[in-house]
Amino acid sequence: GAVVSQHPSWVICKSGTSVKIECRSLDFQATTMFWYRQFPKQSLMLMATSNEGSKATYEQGVEKDKFLINHASLTLSTLTVTSAHPEDSSFYICSAREGLAVNLQFFGPGTRLTVL
Amino acid sequence: SQKIEQNSEALNIQEGKTATLTCNYTNYSPAYLQWYRQDPGRGPVFLLLIRENEKEKRKERLKVTFDTTLKQSLFHITASQPADSATYLCALDADSNYQLIWGAGTKLIIKP
Repeated sequence: GAVVSQHPSWVICKSGTSVKIECRSLDFQATTMFWYRQFPKQSLMLMATSNEGSKATYEQGVEKDKFLINHASLTLSTLTVTSAHPEDSSFYICSAREGLAVNLQFFGPGTRLTVL
Repeated sequence: SQKIEQNSEALNIQEGKTATLTCNYTNYSPAYLQWYRQDPGRGPVFLLLIRENEKEKRKERLKVTFDTTLKQSLFHITASQPADSATYLCALDADSNYQLIWGAGTKLIIKP
């Protein structure tokens, strides 16, 4: 149980285009999903917290107009990188929170974004 | 500010030995602590969670200890195998908006 999928697993795009990444909880309902970014050999950097049916909460320094998050259902959250630039190239990982008693997060496999 | 420290140096262990990883934290009193495994190019995988009132937790070859006085957690892998080679992350609950505070991870290399 507690499987989270991400699509696509990798994407290469041209500078200036927008890219959408999907995160789905397959066998549980996730009221909260998280989006992380990870650079090589560095830890996870939380970008935003996504709550179903409400606006995402962005971390300081993360541009909400550049990284659009939509959490339309209890099993799906999307991250859209708008007008992508080479500096946006990174590994993007989502996680879904299961359970109310403890903050147990299950992660997707990640999406490798390369902007040319 | 809240801070988590994990050994940034890679840990090289001979196969069959016990690997011990350390997670230290400051300026914080978490209700629980979690350990995750991350392989290159993959998302983290949850391994173990230990609560503040638990001293030790075991799962197969894994053992986690939690010392709230020392503000430290130790993660042990007994009878280590090359397949255990990965980066291991510790995380603490941040209490706000269900976020976790993450350590930078320790790369573990098990040599055959």
